[in-house]
Amino acid sequence: KQEVTQIPAALSVPEGENLVLNCSFTDSAIYNLQWFRQDPGKGLTSLLLIQSSQREQTSGRLNASLDKSSGRSTLYIAASQPGDSATYLCAVSDTGANSKLTFGKGITLSVRP
Amino acid sequence: EAQVTQNPRYLITVTGKKLTVTCSQNMNHEYMSWYRQDPGLGLRQIYYSMNVEVTDKGDVPEGYKVSRKEKRNFPLILESPSPNQTSLYFCASSLFQGGYEQYFGPGTRLTVT
Repeated sequence: KQEVTQIPAALSVPEGENLVLNCSFTDSAIYNLQWFRQDPGKGLTSLLLIQSSQREQTSGRLNASLDKSSGRSTLYIAASQPGDSATYLCAVSDTGANSKLTFGKGITLSVRP
Repeated sequence: EAQVTQNPRYLITVTGKKLTVTCSQNMNHEYMSWYRQDPGLGLRQIYYSMNVEVTDKGDVPEGYKVSRKEKRNFPLILESPSPNQTSLYFCASSLFQGGYEQYFGPGTRLTVT
């Protein structure tokens, strides 16, 4: 059974800092990995999608990497801003008939002005 | 605008009173699914559908029903809601199953008293 872990559960950094959010998963048989952002009480916004054959994806100040063999992904946020404060979730898509996403519990990021 | 919509966004109901949460997507996606999000448990899949008239159970299907009579709609039915179904519910869709990017609705916060 796939398990996705995100540690730490919460992170507080000063504005302007570059930071890395980690995600690990136990089964390397995945289609892809997605990083999402969730604001309190809100829905999920997809940030980046990395297919299993890819190593990284970039969007603006965000860069996500995937090392499928070691079961790890990182989300790099450059020059963090208070508006980046949110919960960041990673999820992996199983290769079975069901494209179920298995989610980590998320990292709650607070960027201090 | 391409989107997944859910209604209602907020609902307070009483034990045993049947309810339906609607989900609709305008992207002609074949794959749709429902998740619930609970503190400490993260997001878990309830049901999924690979196409019209094709549905199957996810990880936590007990107490829920779904139907897929049209490609765009995938309602979630709680025939006799109980307090343990108090949760934040998300509908998601993707073009097909098998590793395509998944798009999430804004969520429905359900409280069962």
